[in-house]
Amino acid sequence: NAGVMQNPRHLVRRRGQEARLRCSPMKGHSHVYWYRQLPEEGLKFMVYLQKENIIDESGMPKERFSAEFPKEGPSILRIQQVVRGDSAAYFCASSRLVPNTGELFFGEGSRLTVL
Amino acid sequence: ELKVEQNPLFLSMQEGKNYTIYCNYSTTSDRLYWYRQDPGKSLESLFVLLSNGAVKQEGRLMASLDTKARLSTLHITAAVHDLSATYFCAVLMADKLIFGTGTRLQVFP
Repeated sequence: NAGVMQNPRHLVRRRGQEARLRCSPMKGHSHVYWYRQLPEEGLKFMVYLQKENIIDESGMPKERFSAEFPKEGPSILRIQQVVRGDSAAYFCASSRLVPNTGELFFGEGSRLTVL
Repeated sequence: ELKVEQNPLFLSMQEGKNYTIYCNYSTTSDRLYWYRQDPGKSLESLFVLLSNGAVKQEGRLMASLDTKARLSTLHITAAVHDLSATYFCAVLMADKLIFGTGTRLQVFP
């Protein structure tokens, strides 16, 4: 059973370009979470999605960031017009059930560098 | 807003010694998680604590939860170099995990 798969693992973008990060949850998991980790810091919650629904996006910046989890295919975190401050590791996690009845499993992360 | 604080932030300890990492949180929750992260890697789940008074042990690590005090501890017994990593606690709030600041542990000979 493959774990949470994220790609790309490393992404370099110039300021103003778009970044798309993909996350395939573990088989049988229908809950996906995105977290951002700045260097030397903890993980900050961004968004919680179920298939075709955004459940909680309270941690998402109001502009340039969007996320989706379509009925088919991976979850995607999209960052438009990237700026240097977007450089971070973006982690995806999935769970089979809502976390209070199960664990959250994390992917290896996508490390975004904005030049 | 839920705040999750860990202390110490940095811990340098000698092999064979014992130490405790503390995790305090500001609002009611009865689910707490401990994760380990190696540099440049993902998070590895260590413990899930589901109720007040819960205690779990795995090898040299033992975690406990006191929901009344809003406190969890991660105790390290007879540290070894392989335990060097960053340790995070995370508290469940409204179906998402809120992470602590992390404790960077360095074990030296």
